[in-house]
Amino acid sequence: QQQVKQSPQSLIVQKGGISIINCAYENTAFDYFPWYQQFPGKGPALLIAIRPDVSEKKEGRFTISFNKSAKQFSLHIMDSQPGDSATYFCAASSNAGNMLTFGGGTRLMVKP
Amino acid sequence: EPEVTQTPSHQVTQMGQEVILRCVPISNHLYFYWYRQILGQKVEFLVSFYNNEISEKSEIFDDQFSVERPDGSNFTLKIRSTKLEDSAMYFCASRPNQGASTEAFFGQGTRLTVV
Repeated sequence: QQQVKQSPQSLIVQKGGISIINCAYENTAFDYFPWYQQFPGKGPALLIAIRPDVSEKKEGRFTISFNKSAKQFSLHIMDSQPGDSATYFCAASSNAGNMLTFGGGTRLMVKP
Repeated sequence: EPEVTQTPSHQVTQMGQEVILRCVPISNHLYFYWYRQILGQKVEFLVSFYNNEISEKSEIFDDQFSVERPDGSNFTLKIRSTKLEDSAMYFCASRPNQGASTEAFFGQGTRLTVV
């Protein structure tokens, strides 16, 4: 019940295209849903996060869509750039974000 | 910009040896964490630490693991007798408080290789 399932495992997108990564969770106690970006050799860095009282959050080219009834959330990267090439992890937590449960990760490659 | 600092960046150890991984969290943060990432796999929670005690731990964090905040700045993870399957990237993270939506800042990690 603590799992967060992420898909796809890898994604190739042309420069300027839209990258979409999906996550699903089971634990209804989760109340904080961040997305992390990780470059090789670096630690995960927070990209954008959402709480379940809103259905969408947008920051620049990055948008989280949240469907509480379906227990799913997704990351959309608009106008994808080669510099966006990284591994993206969704995560979830309860208790106002104490322990993070991560999805399996998506390796995104944006081709020039 | 303040950051979480981890040392060493890479540690090679023989199976059965003890290792200590070190972290310096961001100075005004109160909540500290260790996560690990086996190569090519997801990031997994190990333990959280607040007010000089463990607040949560996962099934991975068995008796071979311990954490300590020996002074006002360092936060350490000790693995008492390393196994081959302990080989992973270990990330330290810290948060200023446990308020809603506060960000966890991750260090760059220590790559532990057990041979």
